[in-house]
Amino acid sequence: EADIYQTPRYLVIGTGKKITLECSQTMGHDKMYWYQQDPGMELHLIHYSYGVNSTEKGDLSSESTVSRIRTEHFPLTLESARPSHTSQYLCASSDSEPPSYEQYFGPGTRLTVT
Amino acid sequence: LAKTTQPISMDSYEGQEVNITCSHNNIATNDYITWYQQFPSQGPRFIIQGYKTKVTNEVASLFIPADRKSSTLSLPRVSLSDTAVYYCLVGQPYGNKLVFGAGTILRVKS
Repeated sequence: EADIYQTPRYLVIGTGKKITLECSQTMGHDKMYWYQQDPGMELHLIHYSYGVNSTEKGDLSSESTVSRIRTEHFPLTLESARPSHTSQYLCASSDSEPPSYEQYFGPGTRLTVT
Repeated sequence: LAKTTQPISMDSYEGQEVNITCSHNNIATNDYITWYQQFPSQGPRFIIQGYKTKVTNEVASLFIPADRKSSTLSLPRVSLSDTAVYYCLVGQPYGNKLVFGAGTILRVKS
Protein backbone atom coordinates (compact mmCIF):
# COMPACT_ATOMS: atom_id res chain seq x y z
CA GLU A 1 0.00 0.00 0.00
CA ALA A 2 1.35 3.41 -1.04
CA ASP A 3 2.15 5.85 1.72
CA ILE A 4 1.49 9.26 0.25
CA TYR A 5 -0.56 11.82 2.08
CA GLN A 6 -2.22 15.06 1.18
CA THR A 7 -3.71 17.68 3.44
CA PRO A 8 -6.19 19.16 3.55
CA ARG A 9 -8.56 16.86 1.67
CA TYR A 10 -11.02 19.70 1.13
CA LEU A 11 -10.45 23.44 1.27
CA VAL A 12 -12.85 26.31 0.67
CA ILE A 13 -11.18 29.67 0.71
CA GLY A 14 -11.81 33.23 -0.40
CA THR A 15 -10.24 35.03 -3.31
CA GLY A 16 -6.85 36.58 -2.63
CA LYS A 17 -5.83 34.23 0.16
CA LYS A 18 -2.49 32.45 0.18
CA ILE A 19 -2.75 28.70 0.45
CA THR A 20 -0.36 25.79 0.73
CA LEU A 21 -1.34 22.26 -0.17
CA GLU A 22 0.73 19.67 1.63
CA CYS A 23 2.04 16.42 0.18
CA SER A 24 4.23 13.91 1.97
CA GLN A 25 5.43 10.42 1.14
CA THR A 26 7.22 7.90 3.33
CA MET A 27 8.53 5.66 0.56
CA GLY A 28 11.78 7.53 0.02
CA HIS A 29 10.90 8.24 -3.60
CA ASP A 30 13.10 10.71 -5.42
CA LYS A 31 10.45 11.86 -7.88
CA MET A 32 7.31 13.74 -6.96
CA TYR A 33 4.58 15.35 -9.03
CA TRP A 34 1.57 17.62 -8.83
CA TYR A 35 -1.39 17.16 -11.15
CA GLN A 36 -4.52 19.25 -11.57
CA GLN A 37 -7.83 17.68 -12.49
CA ASP A 38 -11.21 19.32 -13.00
CA PRO A 39 -14.28 17.10 -12.41
CA GLY A 40 -14.70 14.57 -15.20
CA MET A 41 -11.69 15.88 -17.04
CA GLU A 42 -8.13 14.77 -17.72
CA LEU A 43 -5.25 15.04 -15.29
CA HIS A 44 -2.65 17.63 -16.19
CA LEU A 45 0.88 17.72 -14.83
CA ILE A 46 1.66 21.14 -13.33
CA HIS A 47 4.91 20.53 -11.41
CA TYR A 48 7.45 17.80 -10.87
CA SER A 49 10.64 17.22 -8.96
CA TYR A 50 13.46 14.74 -9.50
CA GLY A 51 14.89 15.23 -6.04
CA VAL A 52 15.77 17.72 -3.33
CA ASN A 53 16.18 21.26 -4.67
CA SER A 54 14.93 20.16 -8.10
CA THR A 55 11.62 21.48 -9.42
CA GLU A 56 10.26 21.86 -12.94
CA LYS A 57 7.06 23.15 -14.44
CA GLY A 58 4.80 20.61 -16.08
CA ASP A 59 2.81 20.62 -19.27
CA LEU A 60 -0.02 22.80 -17.97
CA SER A 61 0.83 26.35 -17.03
CA SER A 62 0.02 27.06 -13.41
CA GLU A 63 0.30 30.11 -11.18
CA SER A 64 1.24 27.86 -8.29
CA THR A 65 4.77 27.27 -7.04
CA VAL A 66 6.41 24.27 -5.40
CA SER A 67 9.43 23.55 -3.28
CA ARG A 68 11.42 20.41 -2.46
CA ILE A 69 13.58 20.97 0.56
CA ARG A 70 13.17 17.45 1.90
CA THR A 71 12.81 14.21 -0.02
CA GLU A 72 9.51 13.33 1.58
CA HIS A 73 7.82 16.71 1.31
CA PHE A 74 6.55 18.53 -1.81
CA PRO A 75 4.19 21.40 -0.93
CA LEU A 76 2.31 23.47 -3.50
CA THR A 77 1.59 27.15 -2.87
CA LEU A 78 -0.81 29.62 -4.39
CA GLU A 79 0.13 33.17 -3.38
CA SER A 80 -3.26 34.63 -4.22
CA ALA A 81 -6.10 32.21 -4.82
CA ARG A 82 -8.64 32.95 -7.54
CA PRO A 83 -11.88 31.18 -8.55
CA SER A 84 -10.07 29.85 -11.64
CA HIS A 85 -7.86 27.82 -9.27
CA THR A 86 -10.86 25.78 -8.17
CA SER A 87 -9.96 22.19 -8.99
CA GLN A 88 -8.69 18.93 -7.56
CA TYR A 89 -4.94 18.76 -6.94
CA LEU A 90 -3.28 15.36 -6.90
CA CYS A 91 0.20 14.63 -5.63
CA ALA A 92 2.17 11.58 -6.73
CA SER A 93 5.59 10.04 -6.27
CA SER A 94 7.68 7.39 -7.98
CA ASP A 95 10.88 5.49 -7.51
CA SER A 96 13.85 6.22 -9.75
CA GLU A 97 14.54 2.61 -10.57
CA PRO A 98 13.32 1.39 -13.97
CA PRO A 99 11.51 -0.29 -15.57
CA SER A 100 8.38 0.50 -13.63
CA TYR A 101 6.39 3.49 -14.70
CA GLU A 102 4.28 3.31 -11.58
CA GLN A 103 3.39 6.52 -9.84
CA TYR A 104 1.70 6.40 -6.45
CA PHE A 105 -1.02 8.99 -6.03
CA GLY A 106 -2.31 10.62 -2.91
CA PRO A 107 -6.05 11.06 -2.23
CA GLY A 108 -6.07 14.60 -3.57
CA THR A 109 -7.08 18.03 -2.28
CA ARG A 110 -10.30 19.47 -3.60
CA LEU A 111 -9.89 23.25 -3.63
CA THR A 112 -12.77 25.68 -3.98
CA VAL A 113 -12.03 29.39 -4.24
CA THR A 114 -15.03 31.62 -3.69
CA LEU B 1 5.10 11.53 -25.95
CA ALA B 2 2.87 9.25 -27.96
CA LYS B 3 -0.80 10.20 -28.17
CA THR B 4 -3.33 7.58 -27.16
CA THR B 5 -6.92 7.05 -28.24
CA GLN B 6 -9.46 5.12 -26.17
CA PRO B 7 -13.23 4.73 -26.25
CA ILE B 8 -14.96 7.37 -24.19
CA SER B 9 -17.12 4.89 -22.31
CA MET B 10 -18.09 1.24 -22.06
CA ASP B 11 -20.86 -0.61 -20.29
CA SER B 12 -20.69 -4.15 -18.96
CA TYR B 13 -22.43 -6.50 -16.58
CA GLU B 14 -21.10 -8.19 -13.51
CA GLY B 15 -19.18 -11.36 -14.23
CA GLN B 16 -18.31 -10.47 -17.80
CA GLU B 17 -14.85 -10.03 -19.21
CA VAL B 18 -14.14 -6.47 -20.33
CA ASN B 19 -11.60 -5.53 -22.96
CA ILE B 20 -10.58 -1.89 -23.39
CA THR B 21 -8.47 -1.14 -26.42
CA CYS B 22 -6.06 1.76 -26.70
CA SER B 23 -4.55 3.01 -29.94
CA HIS B 24 -1.04 4.48 -29.92
CA ASN B 25 0.16 4.65 -33.51
CA ASN B 26 3.18 6.83 -32.74
CA ILE B 27 4.65 4.70 -29.98
CA ALA B 28 8.42 4.95 -29.81
CA THR B 29 10.77 2.00 -29.70
CA ASN B 30 11.53 2.25 -26.00
CA ASP B 31 8.09 3.36 -24.82
CA TYR B 32 6.17 1.24 -22.35
CA ILE B 33 2.39 0.94 -22.12
CA THR B 34 0.81 1.50 -18.74
CA TRP B 35 -2.77 1.43 -17.50
CA TYR B 36 -4.19 3.27 -14.52
CA GLN B 37 -7.58 3.09 -12.81
CA GLN B 38 -9.27 6.04 -11.13
CA PHE B 39 -12.31 6.04 -8.87
CA PRO B 40 -14.26 9.26 -8.24
CA SER B 41 -12.56 11.65 -5.83
CA GLN B 42 -9.42 9.51 -5.67
CA GLY B 43 -6.02 9.54 -7.31
CA PRO B 44 -5.27 7.09 -10.12
CA ARG B 45 -3.94 3.67 -9.25
CA PHE B 46 -1.47 1.65 -11.32
CA ILE B 47 -2.96 -1.50 -12.83
CA ILE B 48 -0.46 -3.00 -15.23
CA GLN B 49 2.46 -2.21 -17.49
CA GLY B 50 3.96 -3.93 -20.50
CA TYR B 51 6.29 -3.59 -23.46
CA LYS B 52 5.23 -6.37 -25.83
CA THR B 53 3.22 -9.61 -26.05
CA LYS B 54 1.18 -10.37 -22.96
CA VAL B 55 1.47 -9.39 -19.34
CA THR B 56 -0.75 -10.74 -16.58
CA ASN B 57 -1.07 -9.89 -12.92
CA GLU B 58 -3.62 -10.59 -10.24
CA VAL B 59 -6.12 -8.03 -11.50
CA ALA B 60 -5.72 -7.74 -15.28
CA SER B 61 -4.03 -8.80 -18.47
CA LEU B 62 -2.43 -6.59 -21.06
CA PHE B 63 -2.22 -7.73 -24.67
CA ILE B 64 0.19 -5.97 -27.00
CA PRO B 65 0.44 -7.01 -30.67
CA ALA B 66 3.76 -7.26 -32.44
CA ASP B 67 3.50 -3.81 -34.05
CA ARG B 68 2.73 -2.25 -30.64
CA LYS B 69 0.40 0.30 -32.21
CA SER B 70 -2.40 -0.70 -29.91
CA SER B 71 -2.94 -2.52 -26.64
CA THR B 72 -5.87 -4.14 -24.88
CA LEU B 73 -6.53 -4.16 -21.18
CA SER B 74 -8.54 -7.20 -20.18
CA LEU B 75 -10.45 -7.30 -16.89
CA PRO B 76 -11.77 -10.79 -16.11
CA ARG B 77 -15.17 -11.18 -14.46
CA VAL B 78 -15.79 -7.55 -13.58
CA SER B 79 -17.78 -6.54 -10.52
CA LEU B 80 -19.63 -3.35 -9.62
CA SER B 81 -16.50 -2.11 -7.86
CA ASP B 82 -14.64 -2.05 -11.17
CA THR B 83 -16.72 0.92 -12.26
CA ALA B 84 -14.07 3.58 -12.79
CA VAL B 85 -12.11 5.52 -15.38
CA TYR B 86 -9.30 3.60 -17.06
CA TYR B 87 -6.35 5.44 -18.57
CA CYS B 88 -3.89 4.15 -21.13
CA LEU B 89 -0.48 5.86 -21.10
CA VAL B 90 2.52 5.46 -23.32
CA GLY B 91 5.98 6.70 -22.51
CA GLN B 92 9.40 6.12 -21.09
CA PRO B 93 9.57 3.76 -18.14
CA TYR B 94 12.21 5.73 -16.32
CA GLY B 95 9.95 7.88 -14.22
CA ASN B 96 8.93 11.41 -14.98
CA LYS B 97 6.08 12.76 -16.91
CA LEU B 98 2.86 10.85 -17.37
CA VAL B 99 0.42 12.17 -19.95
CA PHE B 100 -3.12 11.21 -19.13
CA GLY B 101 -5.71 11.28 -21.89
CA ALA B 102 -9.44 11.40 -21.37
CA GLY B 103 -9.61 7.75 -20.34
CA THR B 104 -12.44 5.26 -20.70
CA ILE B 105 -15.37 5.37 -18.31
CA LEU B 106 -16.31 1.78 -17.51
CA ARG B 107 -19.74 1.27 -16.01
CA VAL B 108 -20.48 -2.17 -14.59
CA LYS B 109 -24.12 -2.96 -14.04
CA SER B 110 -25.80 -5.67 -11.99
